Amino acid sequence: QVQLQESGPRLVRPSETLSVTCTVSGGSIGTYYWNLIRQSPGMGLEWIGFIYYSGSAHYNPSLKSRVTMSVDTSKNQFSLNLGSVTAADTAIYYCARQSRGLYFDFWGQGILVTVSS
Amino acid sequence: QSALTQPASVSGSPGQSITISCTGSNTDIGAYTYVSWYQQEPGKAPKLLIYDVTERPSGVSDRFSGSKSGNTASLTISGLQVEDEAVYHCTSYTSSSTWLFGGGTKVTVL
Repeated sequence: QVQLQESGPRLVRPSETLSVTCTVSGGSIGTYYWNLIRQSPGMGLEWIGFIYYSGSAHYNPSLKSRVTMSVDTSKNQFSLNLGSVTAADTAIYYCARQSRGLYFDFWGQGILVTVSS
Repeated sequence: QSALTQPASVSGSPGQSITISCTGSNTDIGAYTYVSWYQQEPGKAPKLLIYDVTERPSGVSDRFSGSKSGNTASLTISGLQVEDEAVYHCTSYTSSSTWLFGGGTKVTVL
């Protein structure tokens, strides 16, 4: 059974860079698309972007100028960097695997990242 | 890209059927059969409930069913049970190769 685990700083200062790392266990990171999705407090879900194991990535146009995703196949990890953060970026950040089809079949438990001075 | 539109809340009595709508546009829901639904219990990650508009993963009760007409997808919960209380999210693939989510619908069992 595939499992995803998010990790990273829980508190980030405004204007700095938010980083989340997702570790995949129980399966290989190869041949799948890996996604970051966030949920602001009391709000709906927002797709941030995906990265393929080869390193090609695609981002939400509304966040594209501030987002970079990367993958490390040797560690079975993928990561998110979100720059120039504000309080509006405070959210639970989830890692999710995109199945062979077009849906998210495995999710991490999520990590709450707060942007505050 | 605007989020998909879901009602904020839907309620029903045990045993009843309820339907949650999810409205998009002809560049997302209307363009593809890649609509999926997720159930999110308090403090937990979303769980896949329906994919490809109508398909259920193994282990998901057949009380949950999905459909689509035009730019609107729907999730129906039949024989409503107390344990169905949760927030339900819809999502659709889009013509920009991105994903749109709805705002989520809180289901309350009266």
